[in-house]
Amino acid sequence: SQQGEEDPQALSIQEGENATMNCSYKTSINNLQWYRQNSGRGLVHLILIRSNEREKHSGRLRVTLDTSKKSSSLLITASRAADTASYFCATAPKTSGSRLTFGEGTQLTVNP
Amino acid sequence: ETGVTQTPRHLVMGMTNKKSLKCEQHLGHNAMYWYKQSAKKPLELMFVYNFKEQTENNSVPSRFSPECPNSSHLFLHLHTLQPEDSALYLCASSLKESTGDWYGYTFGSGTRLTVV
Repeated sequence: SQQGEEDPQALSIQEGENATMNCSYKTSINNLQWYRQNSGRGLVHLILIRSNEREKHSGRLRVTLDTSKKSSSLLITASRAADTASYFCATAPKTSGSRLTFGEGTQLTVNP
Repeated sequence: ETGVTQTPRHLVMGMTNKKSLKCEQHLGHNAMYWYKQSAKKPLELMFVYNFKEQTENNSVPSRFSPECPNSSHLFLHLHTLQPEDSALYLCASSLKESTGDWYGYTFGSGTRLTVV
């Protein structure tokens, strides 16, 4: 089964606005991670939240995790045109060792 | 540069060719991965190597053959590919924490493969 399904698939906002992306997953996890990908490039790790954490911040990023609902959200505050990219959540299932399973991603466009 | 280097960046090959993709990391990571990214599809895990041992082969066709000679290098050997194998191939590495959990992945920039 597919882990890490993002919602929405695409999001278009104006510079300065906040962007919220959601991720749902199916199995028990050790942690959940968010990555960013600029077109045609590799993914860049943004933030990791462990299963016993509920919220984490890194600069303009805020991630929440609700293990009872098997969901996570990524909030980017005061967005910039340079934030335009695809954002992926990835789950580390408890039984998978080091393996991550990625969702399909949210394409974020920030208009100047 | 992220610390994970993939070569070549672009590759065009015929269906009867044999080629290899190379991935190199000097971050001291002890796990390395191959992922395939096709248009409009989630990243597909292909192979996992932990401490140089292959721990996962995610039902990948035998025309893809991985090799991990040491913990810093990972190869993907390609042989008689199909046009549907055209995709971005991404290598990643990660480090095991002292707690037994794993840190996040560091990805390379990928090899854009086109099979003609």
